[in-house]
Amino acid sequence: AQSVAQPEDQVNVAEGNPLTVKCTYSVSGNPYLFWYVQYPNRGLQFLLKYITGDNLVKGSYGFEAEFNKSQTSFHLKKPSALVSDSALYFCAVRDGYGGSQGNLIFGKGTKLSVKP
Amino acid sequence: DTGVSQDPRHKITKRGQNVTFRCDPISEHNRLYWYRQTLGQGPEFLTYFQNEAQLEKSRLLSDRFSAERPKGSFSTLEIQRTEQGDSAMYLCASSLGDQVGEQYFGPGTRLTVT
Repeated sequence: AQSVAQPEDQVNVAEGNPLTVKCTYSVSGNPYLFWYVQYPNRGLQFLLKYITGDNLVKGSYGFEAEFNKSQTSFHLKKPSALVSDSALYFCAVRDGYGGSQGNLIFGKGTKLSVKP
Repeated sequence: DTGVSQDPRHKITKRGQNVTFRCDPISEHNRLYWYRQTLGQGPEFLTYFQNEAQLEKSRLLSDRFSAERPKGSFSTLEIQRTEQGDSAMYLCASSLGDQVGEQYFGPGTRLTVT
């Protein structure tokens, strides 16, 4: 069965420092991986995705993520955090083999708090 | 704004009543998804349409839930005989093309069943 784990409920970072939000996954085939961000009272916003190719994926707002097949991880990173990055971050996966037609399996989310 | 829209944004209802939510996807998107999100959890898949065809339903979608997408445009999600456990945020998303396209989410409808 497909699953996603976000091991940290909350990540605290000082503004200007690098940030990492962790995600590990389990799928039966090749994974399609996504990161979304959710601000209060707003819908989820797409940040980036990994389908195939370069293991380092760049996305919106200066975020990037590194796909590591051997560790089944897809950690979200940013070199220099901003206070405005404070939000709830979700990792999601879907199986690249047949089966479901595109629905995403989400992790529980990680709350990122960036302090000035 | 040409994003995904949902109506209403908030709905409070008494247990046992029926409710219906509407989702208007991005106009050229052929795929439409419904998810449910409870506090402290990520969204959970409910059902999926490609054009007007409902192609997949989660086991979470009990027989009290029904979804439609007439003419492949907007979609409705109806919950009959609501229960307190139905209280959640109901999210709609749409995407274009194949199964690897990113999904764009609406703001959600928050349902409270009293």
